[in-house]
Amino acid sequence: EAGVVQSPRYKIIEKKQPVAFWCNPISGHNTLYWYLQNLGQGPELLIRYENEEAVDDSQLPKDRFSAERLKGVDSTLKIQPAELGDSAVYLCASSYQGTGELFFGEGSRLTVL
Amino acid sequence: AQSVAQPEDQVNVAEGNPLTVKCTYSVSGNPYLFWYVQYPNRGLQFLLKYITGDNLVKGSYGFEAEFNKSQTSFHLKKPSALVSDSALYFCAVRDIKVPSTLTFGKGTMLLVSP
Repeated sequence: EAGVVQSPRYKIIEKKQPVAFWCNPISGHNTLYWYLQNLGQGPELLIRYENEEAVDDSQLPKDRFSAERLKGVDSTLKIQPAELGDSAVYLCASSYQGTGELFFGEGSRLTVL
Repeated sequence: AQSVAQPEDQVNVAEGNPLTVKCTYSVSGNPYLFWYVQYPNRGLQFLLKYITGDNLVKGSYGFEAEFNKSQTSFHLKKPSALVSDSALYFCAVRDIKVPSTLTFGKGTMLLVSP
């Protein structure tokens, strides 16, 4: 069974540029999460989807971050414009019906110069 | 609000010795509890979970964890550490009654010396 797939693995951009991350969850998993992980810290939730509906986006900085999950499968997380403080790893995870056990992708490491 | 505390930034242990990585939690109701491991430049991997039942939970790679409701703890243990166990370990909690997502601790780096 294929795991959660994320791309790109690494991205380096200059500040004020846009960036997008893509996630393909495990087949059949209806719940999808985007987490932010700063160096030396635990993951922090940005947004959670149940199918195509964003049910928890309270921690998403909506002035510059946006996300979508078209057709309730793949998801894209966008930052525009990026700031220096956005440098971090962006983790995507999925689970089956929100049962609690999350399966994580390898993450997308963003460096903003 | 739910929260997790991992009081140790780093745990050092010699190979072959038992290891414990500490975790305490706070939820308003009953908890679902999890341990994840993260190797360098990798995503988080599920180790084990406590939902209900036996307070001693066994998971992957010989790890186990003990749920203690009175102390609100869920410490991760292994009887004999391996050098390959060296990694970053995260404890996470979710309230059973609230369909929310997992809240993670800040992580504990485990270093096993040969």
